[in-house]
Amino acid sequence: SSELTQDPAVSVALGQTVRITCQGDSLRSYYASWYQQKPGQAPLLVIYAGDKRPSGIPDRFSGSRSGDRASLTITGAQAEDEGDYYCNCRDSRVWQWVFGGGTKLTVL
Amino acid sequence: QVQLVQSGAELKKPGASVKVSCEASGLPFTNSWMHWVRQAPGQGLEWMGVINPRGDRTLYAQNLKGRLTLTRETSTGTVNMELSNLRSEDTAVYYCAKDTSVDDLAWWFAPWGQGTLVTVSS
Repeated sequence: SSELTQDPAVSVALGQTVRITCQGDSLRSYYASWYQQKPGQAPLLVIYAGDKRPSGIPDRFSGSRSGDRASLTITGAQAEDEGDYYCNCRDSRVWQWVFGGGTKLTVL
Repeated sequence: QVQLVQSGAELKKPGASVKVSCEASGLPFTNSWMHWVRQAPGQGLEWMGVINPRGDRTLYAQNLKGRLTLTRETSTGTVNMELSNLRSEDTAVYYCAKDTSVDDLAWWFAPWGQGTLVTVSS
């Protein structure tokens, strides 16, 4: 099966911009979705279909795609944005889905 | 408010089976595919499988084939996840999540259930 690769950890100063990336062959064929997870909570969808934002998600969250990479950008990071972020998309080789390893975001 | 409500925590011995249920409240999910995802302690998310609305088609992660069974009660939309021959490595929080897709190009999972902790220990 295919894999999605994420940086294990990223940090950003309060109010600054941070980009979290996800790389994998399947991203050439399918759009990514992104999930935020805080300790002890279920994951929460923050971006779907590459660049769409669900109702209730602040507009500082945005998504993009280029080639085999998908990115989640937080413009003006807030303390409450700390947590783990996971990308996901359908595997382009078999009918299954795959998550990236996750990126731990720290807001300084 | 639409929610997925899962059954409670389970403690199982190695070699046993566990069944976790997921029920929708607020709106029927009878027309939705439903995924299962698990997360071992301190680890990332792992996709396990998905079941269609009628309950007659399932897709499983390669590493769980033969041990994972997803079923669905079509009258209520309740989805069940059964994992057999449990090992200590199966200790994890198990989540159900509703599937939405568009144009066979994008899929996403929302909402998610609250999670069910399954502990495998002798």
